[in-house]
Amino acid sequence: KQEVTQIPAALSVPEGENLVLNCSFTDSAIYNLQWFRQDPGKGLTSLLLIQSSQREQTSGRLNASLDKSSGRSTLYIAASQPGDSATYLCAVNLANDMRFGAGTRLTVKP
Amino acid sequence: EAQVTQNPRYLITVTGKKLTVTCSQNMNHEYMSWYRQDPGLGLRQIYYSMNVEVTDKGDVPEGYKVSRKEKRNFPLILESPSPNQTSLYFCASSLTPSRQENGYTFGSGTRLTVV
Repeated sequence: KQEVTQIPAALSVPEGENLVLNCSFTDSAIYNLQWFRQDPGKGLTSLLLIQSSQREQTSGRLNASLDKSSGRSTLYIAASQPGDSATYLCAVNLANDMRFGAGTRLTVKP
Repeated sequence: EAQVTQNPRYLITVTGKKLTVTCSQNMNHEYMSWYRQDPGLGLRQIYYSMNVEVTDKGDVPEGYKVSRKEKRNFPLILESPSPNQTSLYFCASSLTPSRQENGYTFGSGTRLTVV
């Protein structure tokens, strides 16, 4: 059964730092991987989708990589801002289901 | 605007009183599903539908029903809600999730409290 793990569980950084969030999964048979942002008690906002045949995707200050063979993805956030404070979830697409990690709770201090 | 719409956003109900949470998407997506999110347990799939009239159980289907009579709607029915169904619920859809270019789009969530 697919297991998705995110490290660290929580992260606190000063404004302006570059940071990396990690995601690992146990089964490489995925269609794609999505990174989501969730504010407390709110919905899931899709940040990036990496197709299984791709190595990375970029959107603004965000860059996500995927190494399917080793079961790893990273989300790189450049020049972090207080507005980036949220929980970041990675999820792998199995077609009939999406398996989520437990998330990384990010706090960016002014 | 392409979106998944859930209603209501917030709901407080009493044990045993039947309720329906609606979900509608305007993107002509084939696939729809329901998830619940609980502290410490993350997001877990309740039911999913690969197309009209095709539904199947996810990881935690007990106490829930669904139907997919038309492509755009996928309501979640709680016939006799219990306090352990207090949770944050999300509806999701995807065009054809078995294609790598297609991701999932999520609704804004429904916060359900059963007392």
